[in-house]
Amino acid sequence: KAGVTQTPRYLIKTRGQQVTLSCSPISGHRSVSWYQQTPGQGLQFLFEYFSETQRNKGNFPGRFSGRQFSNSRSEMNVSTLELGDSALYLCASSSGQVSTDTQYFGPGTRLTVL
Amino acid sequence: AQSVTQLDSQVPVFEEAPVELRCNYSSSVSVYLFWYVQYPNQGLQLLLKYLSGSTLVESINGFEAEFNKSQTSFHLRKPSVHISDTAEYFCAVSDPGGSEKLVFGKGTKLTVNP
Repeated sequence: KAGVTQTPRYLIKTRGQQVTLSCSPISGHRSVSWYQQTPGQGLQFLFEYFSETQRNKGNFPGRFSGRQFSNSRSEMNVSTLELGDSALYLCASSSGQVSTDTQYFGPGTRLTVL
Repeated sequence: AQSVTQLDSQVPVFEEAPVELRCNYSSSVSVYLFWYVQYPNQGLQLLLKYLSGSTLVESINGFEAEFNKSQTSFHLRKPSVHISDTAEYFCAVSDPGGSEKLVFGKGTKLTVNP
């Protein structure tokens, strides 16, 4: 089975712009979660989507949003970029149906905001 | 709210020496516990997890962790490390109530020197 894929792997934007990141889960997985990883704050949960619905949400401002499509692929959007949004954005997929399921992580998208 | 504390941000060891990476969590309810490993420029890989049952869990590459409920700890150990174990290790907890959200510690960077 192919793993979780994320595109693009690297992205450079300037302040005020917006960005869209994509995540394709493992085939058959219906849950996609997004995390932000920074040196200062570590790994923080952004949100989780299951069957096209946001099921959980972390403590991030409304500039961070996401969606999930019928094929379980997910996108994350950040509007009005700030310097502090520079981070590695990781997505993880699981079946989402049993809480004991393992989450499998993609390689991440490294976003740099200038 | 759940939180995870990894007491050591960096652990340098020599090859073939034993290592222990410490993890404590704060939760008054049952939790699931995980150790993930992150190699440079890669996403997270699950190393091992505790869901229930035996308090000692093992990974295929020689790591083990022991769940200690009274001390709310889940320390990771390996009796003899290899240079290829150099990576960052993250301890995480999740809620057995069904949320996919993982709460991570800040990570421990393990450096194995020859």
